[in-house]
Amino acid sequence: AQSVTQLDSHVSVSEGTPVLLRCNYSSSYSPSLFWYVQHPNKGLQLLLKYTSAATLVKGINGFEAEFKKSETSFHLTKPSAHMSDAAEYFCVVSRYSSASKIIFGSGTRLSIRP
Amino acid sequence: SAVISQKPSRDICQRGTSLTIQCQVDSQVTMMFWYRQQPGQSLTLIATANQGSEATYESGFVIDKFPISRPNLTFSTLTVSNMSPEDSSIYLCSVGEGRDTEAFFGQGTRLTVV
Repeated sequence: AQSVTQLDSHVSVSEGTPVLLRCNYSSSYSPSLFWYVQHPNKGLQLLLKYTSAATLVKGINGFEAEFKKSETSFHLTKPSAHMSDAAEYFCVVSRYSSASKIIFGSGTRLSIRP
Repeated sequence: SAVISQKPSRDICQRGTSLTIQCQVDSQVTMMFWYRQQPGQSLTLIATANQGSEATYESGFVIDKFPISRPNLTFSTLTVSNMSPEDSSIYLCSVGEGRDTEAFFGQGTRLTVV
């Protein structure tokens, strides 16, 4: 079975400092992994995805993530946090099937201090 | 990409009644998915809506409570039946066409049961 574990339910950083949101996955095969962001009262937006190509994936708004098979991790990073980054972030794994039935992690709420 | 429209965007309903949520996609898709996001929680897959066959429900969700229709390749409905306050959640429609492709989400329907 496939699953993802987001290690922190809440992360708080100061504006201008680095962001690290941690995600570990479990999969019996090579997974597809995604990070989505959900701003308050808004829909889900894809930040980036890993689909067995380059292990370092660059996404929108300066975010990137590195797929590490040996550590079964897919942590999300950003060099410098901006106030607009405050949101809920979900790590997602794609379940093996002919369609993209996906499984969400529990989410990490990112807060940015001025 | 796919653009998904959900109706209604929000509703307040009396317990014991039912609400039908509509999901319209701007292109033909094979699979459509329905998720529930309870307050402060992550997304949980309710069911996969297949055109021309019955929906496939995840563990903990049953057809009598959440009947789904999928009359064509661009439209689906989810009904929340005999509602109770515990059904107060955001319900999201999603589409995706393959394991390595991103899933697209509607804006969600925020349901409050009183």
